[in-house]
Amino acid sequence: DSGVTQTPKHLITATGQRVTLRCSPRSGDLSVYWYQQSLDQGLQFLIQYYNGEERAKGNILERFSAQQFPDLHSELNLSSLELGDSALYFCASSVGGSLDEQFFGPGTRLTVL
Amino acid sequence: GIQVEQSPPDLILQEGANSTLRCNFSDSVNNLQWFHQNPWGQLINLFYIPSGTKQNGRLSATTVATERYSLLYISSSQTTDSGVYFCAVDQTGANNLFFGTGTRLTVIP
Repeated sequence: DSGVTQTPKHLITATGQRVTLRCSPRSGDLSVYWYQQSLDQGLQFLIQYYNGEERAKGNILERFSAQQFPDLHSELNLSSLELGDSALYFCASSVGGSLDEQFFGPGTRLTVL
Repeated sequence: GIQVEQSPPDLILQEGANSTLRCNFSDSVNNLQWFHQNPWGQLINLFYIPSGTKQNGRLSATTVATERYSLLYISSSQTTDSGVYFCAVDQTGANNLFFGTGTRLTVIP
């Protein structure tokens, strides 16, 4: 158990809908990272937050947004969902803010029908 | 963006055998990490290794940043080593993490 929690574990929704994925980092970690893993795109880094501020941005679509709250948990919002958004979404956390050693949550499997 | 290539794409080993996985990258990087994704999908960070050599039990990793490659060594492999091994690099100046396509390892009893 990495200490990083993600909810929900599974999510099934329809095209055009909006969903929110939640992540709680390990105790003491200030950074939260979001990743997408799909069959055709592989593992992609989406975005990093460090102590409430956006720190690094990867291949995150404009339809997606994220934030980190004062208690350091983070939410990833996915809107106007398309079939191609079906994927496993991972959250990870680390102590520092410079893309350092990360600990991953179990992931949220999103299926868009 | 930076190109990250891993080889081999697939590897089948007998339990107890040793193996070397390679990660090549096309540009300078700030750091490099190795991850293991087990057959149940869980991702585990193995090494954070921008340069030099690190060892953790039966696993060790070496990164030669000047030559743009990293190696992951697995000795005395066990069935629990099965899964996909990814390397990921933080490209200098990009503030982004780029993943390779992975090496799928199957260890047979």
